[in-house]
Amino acid sequence: AQKVTQAQTEISVVEKEDVTLDCVYETRDTTYYLFWYKQPPSGELVFLIRRNSFDEQNEISGRYSWNFQKSTSSFNFTITASQVVDSAVYFCALSEAGTGGFKTIFGAGTRLFVKA
Amino acid sequence: SQTIHQWPATLVQPVGSPLSLECTVEGTSNPNLYWYRQAAGRGLQLLFYSVGIGQISSEVPQNLSASRPQDRQFILSSKKLLLSDSGFYLCAWEIFTGELFFGEGSRLTVL
Repeated sequence: AQKVTQAQTEISVVEKEDVTLDCVYETRDTTYYLFWYKQPPSGELVFLIRRNSFDEQNEISGRYSWNFQKSTSSFNFTITASQVVDSAVYFCALSEAGTGGFKTIFGAGTRLFVKA
Repeated sequence: SQTIHQWPATLVQPVGSPLSLECTVEGTSNPNLYWYRQAAGRGLQLLFYSVGIGQISSEVPQNLSASRPQDRQFILSSKKLLLSDSGFYLCAWEIFTGELFFGEGSRLTVL
């Protein structure tokens, strides 16, 4: 069975601190996708990044970076120099290619508070 | 560009009343469509997904149903709401590489 675990329920940091959100996944598939989504207070989930199982390269996008390690089944997300606008719930997700389309499994989410 | 809209944004309904939430996608054809529910302070639960008109797959047995009468229209319904149906409902469409794009969400409170 597939599973995504985000052990950190809530994290609170002060602006300009770096913060890492952990994500551990379980799957028997050899081909899968991992994602991060951001849910700001408005409620709408926003896609941040997709990584496929064959690409273990880390990725950096501005203040955001992602560390994918198949050996530990982890896909961690780091925000550098956090800002108040980063306050949101962040979801890690795993997707398999099911019959007729993808089905995405979400972690429980990590709520990030960034204080000014 | 592609857009997704769902409505109503907020709904307060009595127990036993019917429900209809609607979602439409523009700018794409034959998308995979999804309904998720998010209970307060919790993660997302997949309720239904659809790969085409009239094709609905249910992930969790429940008091809800879904329909897809048109290619870019996805409707979530209930004949009689329960208190446990309260939550934040999100519609999403998917491109072939798996990214989900979500609507604004519909917050349902059942009293």
